Amino acid sequence: QLQLQESGPGLVKPSETLSLSCTVSGGSISSSSHYWGWIRQPPGKGLEWIGSIYYSGSTYYNPSLKSRITISVDTSKNEVSLKVNSVTAADTAVYYCARQDSLLEWPYFFDFWGQGTRVSVSS
Amino acid sequence: DIQMTQSPSSVSASVGDRVTITCRASQGVSTYLHWYQQKPGKAPKLLIFDASSLQGGVPSRFSASGSGADFTLTISSLHPEDSATYYCHQTYNMPLTFGGGTRVEI
Repeated sequence: QLQLQESGPGLVKPSETLSLSCTVSGGSISSSSHYWGWIRQPPGKGLEWIGSIYYSGSTYYNPSLKSRITISVDTSKNEVSLKVNSVTAADTAVYYCARQDSLLEWPYFFDFWGQGTRVSVSS
Repeated sequence: DIQMTQSPSSVSASVGDRVTITCRASQGVSTYLHWYQQKPGKAPKLLIFDASSLQGGVPSRFSASGSGADFTLTISSLHPEDSATYYCHQTYNMPLTFGGGTRVEI
């Protein structure tokens, strides 16, 4: 059974870089049938797509965050990573990684999700 | 960006009731529309993909329809475990966007 597990610091200081990892087990991150995405959810609010990456390294980013984010994949570790630079309180959220179906190499629906990791930005 | 508007934002219903949630896109998204269920403290769970296709393992009381800009999710007979927030999600164009959510209370 596919499992995704996010990990990273629960507290980050303003202006610093948030770094999260998503370890995939029970399946290969090198699948040509899937993208791997990051989604976040601020406290009490809805879902916001951050970005998605193909195993080849091809990425799509949300323009609202594009200047501050980097998503990468490490196929040797079966891991996807997210970095968010220059964080502010507005980046406080639960961060989810999820497997994303691929339709003709286009990111599609999210069919498997990690449990999420809560990140707070505060000094 | 394609804006996804869900209505109602919340609904209170009883066990056995039929509940319908609407999702409207600011422009047509064909059938690149998907629905998720999220319970408090949990990750979202895919219910419906391609506007009307039921994800494996999802009870048949859930159904959905629509194409273009207007979509609906229907729970035919509400069960206690259906208490959750439901989100629509378009993957027609970048950036991928979600609706604001509809909370279903029982």
